[in-house]
Amino acid sequence: KQEVTQIPAALSVPEGENLVLNCSFTDSAIYNLQWFRQDPGKGLTSLLLIQSSQREQTSGRLNASLDKSSGRSTLYIAASQPGDSATYLCAVRGGRSTGANSKLTFGKGITLSVRP
Amino acid sequence: NAGVTQTPKFQVLKTGQSMTLQCAQDMNHEYMSWYRQDPGMGLRLIHYSVGAGITDQGEVPNGYNVSRSTTEDFPLRLLSAAPSQTSVYFCASSSYTETGELFFGEGSRLTVL
Repeated sequence: KQEVTQIPAALSVPEGENLVLNCSFTDSAIYNLQWFRQDPGKGLTSLLLIQSSQREQTSGRLNASLDKSSGRSTLYIAASQPGDSATYLCAVRGGRSTGANSKLTFGKGITLSVRP
Repeated sequence: NAGVTQTPKFQVLKTGQSMTLQCAQDMNHEYMSWYRQDPGMGLRLIHYSVGAGITDQGEVPNGYNVSRSTTEDFPLRLLSAAPSQTSVYFCASSSYTETGELFFGEGSRLTVL
């Protein structure tokens, strides 16, 4: 069974700091990995999608990397701002143990607080 | 640019009542799914569909029914609501390819008394 872990569950940093959010998964036979942002009381917003053949994706101050062989992904946020405060979730699609290439497995998320 | 639309946003039910959560997408996505999100449990897949007329169970399907008569719509039915179904429900869709990006609705907050 595919399992996705995000540690720590919560993180507090001062404004301006560059930070890295980690995501690990147990089954490396994935099709893609997606990072989401969730604000309180809201739905999930897609940030970055990395295909299994890719090593990284960038969007603005965000950069996500993928290392399938080690079962890890990182989301790098440059020059963090209070507006970045939210919960960040990663999800992997597929894996030998999921039984269907359509299924996504989510981590429980990292709640980020950026202090002014 | 509607994307994935869920209704209602909030609902309060009494134990034993039934209701349907609506989900519609306008991106011509083959894949649609329902998740529930509970504190400490993360997102759990309830049911999913890879196309009209095709549905399958996720991790926590008990107490829920789905159907997919059109590509656009994927309603979730609670047959006899229980307090354990108090949760926030999210509908999500993507193209049915291995590379499809998943898009979420804003969520429906359900309370069962």
